[in-house]
Amino acid sequence: DIVMTQSPLSLPVTPGEPASFSCRSSQSLLRRDGYNSLAWYLQKPGQSPQLLVYLGSNRASGVPDRFSGSGSGTDFTLKISRVEAEDVGVYYCMQAVQTPITFGQGTRLEIK
Amino acid sequence: EVQLVESGGGLVQPGGSLRLSCAASGFTFSRYWMRWFRQAPGKGLEWVASISQDGSEKYYVDSVRGRFTISRENAKNSLFLQMNSLRAEDTAVYYCARTLQGGSDYWGQGLLVTVSS
Repeated sequence: DIVMTQSPLSLPVTPGEPASFSCRSSQSLLRRDGYNSLAWYLQKPGQSPQLLVYLGSNRASGVPDRFSGSGSGTDFTLKISRVEAEDVGVYYCMQAVQTPITFGQGTRLEIK
Repeated sequence: EVQLVESGGGLVQPGGSLRLSCAASGFTFSRYWMRWFRQAPGKGLEWVASISQDGSEKYYVDSVRGRFTISRENAKNSLFLQMNSLRAEDTAVYYCARTLQGGSDYWGQGLLVTVSS
């Protein structure tokens, strides 16, 4: 199974400041078509997860452009250029290059 | 508007069975892979099962293989998860989700399944 490791586990950020989330996989997530099968989700308190980024760097529909995904192979990053209060929650990365599909343990974003 | 609405959860005794349903609307259901995920109380997200557009391909996490069955009925825009031989560790909120380019872009509201005597 592919192990997904996220860091940090907790991220306190002042509104208006940037935030960066790291996700590392135990095997490459690069598909034969050149895309990385890596997605980022945000689960706000009491809500279902929402897709932020798919294929490593593609923003999902309706996601603000302050969110951006990057990386390839085994190292990936999600960045928020300017954190807003509504961004609070747990951020998960997920790989789908092979089954079982696996998630990282999550990074909790909190507002200072 | 895309909507996924789960039903069928609740309290069940260890060893019992439940069938979860997910009613899809607002998109052409038969064109998408679908997934079930779950989240145990206070824990992270876990993938449970996936099914192809026509139901011919199915995949499961090891912990449920042989006990859970994912299925779909495209004519009724419905996804199902038959859960047998339930264990305490199956207690979780279960989500159905649409698959797009490896990610899951729409999720249901979640359904609590509690396995307890």
